[in-house]
Amino acid sequence: GENVEQHPSTLSVQEGDSAVIKCTYSDSASNYFPWYKQELGKRPQLIIDIRSNVGEKKDQRIAVTLNKTAKHFSLHITETQPEDSAVYFCAASMSYGQNFVFGPGTRLSVLP
Amino acid sequence: EAQVTQNPRYLITVTGKKLTVTCSQNMNHEYMSWYRQDPGLGLRQIYYSMNVEVTDKGDVPEGYKVSRKEKRNFPLILESPSPNQTSLYFCASSFQDNEKLFFGSGTQLSVL
Repeated sequence: GENVEQHPSTLSVQEGDSAVIKCTYSDSASNYFPWYKQELGKRPQLIIDIRSNVGEKKDQRIAVTLNKTAKHFSLHITETQPEDSAVYFCAASMSYGQNFVFGPGTRLSVLP
Repeated sequence: EAQVTQNPRYLITVTGKKLTVTCSQNMNHEYMSWYRQDPGLGLRQIYYSMNVEVTDKGDVPEGYKVSRKEKRNFPLILESPSPNQTSLYFCASSFQDNEKLFFGSGTQLSVL
């Protein structure tokens, strides 16, 4: 089955700097790659996603890149702010009812 | 308001006492799923359902049961809970599989 690895497990950056979180997946049939943000004590919420027919997607300060050949995808956050502090999860899934597999998460701390 | 409603929010029980965690969505979503969240392990899928009367195992189904008799409801049943099922549980739904997941508020379960 699918296996998703995520690095780093913790990340601290200064406010205004960029943050990059990387994920790798094992099953080349996976075609949907979302990123979820979970603030302390809250539910996960989707912040951006990408499908396998696209190499990059951007939404304001957040971008995701996908390399299908290498089977990895990355989350990029620019101009980080204290409210970006949270746990971020990547995930991979494929069509037609297969498992939705999450990475173990990255705890991002944005220091003022 | 479009939402996924999960109850209870907190639950403390003893080993072997059957319990049910309810999940209901009002968005007419076809796809529903259950996850458990444990430190360092991310979100692991327990069961998922593509539609009414269609359910399938995720990565960690042992000790759990589900049913999907109505489109809006997807309860999680622990027939004989054990301490290793102490965890934070999330229900989620989406319009179809491979789409954005909407999460419930979570259920913190402690099995003594």
